[in-house]
Amino acid sequence: RKEVEQDPGPFNVPEGATVAFNCTYSNSASQSFFWYRQDCRKEPKLLMSVYSSGNEDGRFTAQLNRASQYISLLIRDSKLSDSATYLCVVEREFGNQFYFGTGTSLTVIP
Amino acid sequence: ETGVTQSPTHLIKTRGQQVTLRCSSQSGHNTVSWYQQALGQGPQFIFQYYREEENGRGNFPPRFSGLQFPNYSSELNVNALELDDSALYLCASSLWGSPYEQYFGPGTRLTVT
Repeated sequence: RKEVEQDPGPFNVPEGATVAFNCTYSNSASQSFFWYRQDCRKEPKLLMSVYSSGNEDGRFTAQLNRASQYISLLIRDSKLSDSATYLCVVEREFGNQFYFGTGTSLTVIP
Repeated sequence: ETGVTQSPTHLIKTRGQQVTLRCSSQSGHNTVSWYQQALGQGPQFIFQYYREEENGRGNFPPRFSGLQFPNYSSELNVNALELDDSALYLCASSLWGSPYEQYFGPGTRLTVT
C-alpha cells in the first residue's frame, strides 16, 4: 500500500468552478501535512499547510481528518493560473522527510 | 526564488555509468533532502543529510549515496546507472525541525540511455 494515495485526475474545469482534491495516508503517526503545487517541469512549491481545524488562504481551503487519515483541498472560483499539479504531502515520522502523493492534475479552461 | 540551486540542470548518461548531482542549500538551512521524481509520479524520498550524516533513507538501493559538506551543500551519487534511474532529481533545503519551510531546488533532469 502506498503511503499517500491521491486521485491523479486529470481534472478539467471551467473558470470560476469549485474543485476538490482528496488524498488518504497510511501512517497514523504522521504529524505534519501539506499541499504543494507543481507547475510543468518545475519544482514543487508549498501551497499551504493542513491543520485539523481546517485552514483557509483566499480561495483555497485545506482540511485534515486524522480519524479517517484523509486530507482535502478545495479551490473556489478557479482561475486559469490555478492550472498545475497538486501534490498531497505527509511528513514521515520525523525530520522534514516527506511522502508525496502521485499528484492531481488540474486544468482550468477559459 | 528559493535560493536553493542544483547543478547540472540536465544530464545524459549511459547505463552502467556513475553520476554526481549537486545541491546548494538556502542560507541558514542545515538539512538537505533528496527526492527522485519519475515522469507522471510524485517525488520519492531518497535520503536526508543533517550535520553531515545520513538521517533517514527511503526505499533506494545502496548505489544511491550522498554527502553533506560543512557549508550544508550536498551531493547525490548514483553508481551503476540503470534506465529506470531516468528522472528529475530534486533537493530540498530546510532547517532541522521546521517542515513548514522546506524549499525545493529546480532539479536535475537525468536521462539514462
